[in-house]
Amino acid sequence: DAGVIQSPRHEVTEMGQEVTLRCKPISGHNSLFWYRQTMMRGLELLIYFNNNVPIDDSGMPEDRFSAKMPNASFSTLKIQPSEPRDSAVYFCASSLINEQFFGPGTRLTVL
Amino acid sequence: DAKTTQPNSMESNEEEPVHLPCNHSTISGTDYIHWYRQLPSQGPEYVIHGLTSNVNNRMASLAIAEDRKSSTLILHRATLRDAAVYYCILRDLMHQFYFGTGTSLTVIP
Repeated sequence: DAGVIQSPRHEVTEMGQEVTLRCKPISGHNSLFWYRQTMMRGLELLIYFNNNVPIDDSGMPEDRFSAKMPNASFSTLKIQPSEPRDSAVYFCASSLINEQFFGPGTRLTVL
Repeated sequence: DAKTTQPNSMESNEEEPVHLPCNHSTISGTDYIHWYRQLPSQGPEYVIHGLTSNVNNRMASLAIAEDRKSSTLILHRATLRDAAVYYCILRDLMHQFYFGTGTSLTVIP
């Protein structure tokens, strides 16, 4: 298995633009997590899906952020409109029982 | 949310054992204790987890206090490749993970 796949690996955009981050979890995993990591706030859980259903989105910072999981093999995290304070590394992780497997992350820079 | 407290940084000499402490005084009876580490420019990776009993695997050992209010991750022989940020995390019944600030481990050759 290729592990958790995230795209793009790097994204540079201008303030106000829409940004879409993509994640392909490991086949067979039933849970998917989106995290954000910054120097100031560390690693934060944004949203968690179980069997494609959002279980807890209390970590989503505001309405500009939205996440979807249309099927078991794909999830997106969208920011619209983006702001400079959204600059961070965004990680996607998937799991089956205990261990979470993280993707390589998407480094987002909003100018 | 259950919280964990870890020292910000620790140092160890290469090939010596390392004991990384974690306090979690508000842990509930059903919370699992997980440890992950994050190497530079990579996503976190799983190290070990446990509930009540001490655990061993190929990477490390986890020692859990009898009252479960603290735990210690033990790397038996630190190598340069073990230099990373180590996170002690509690996983609740909803299978959510809460990462703290972690301990940055420096391994000295």
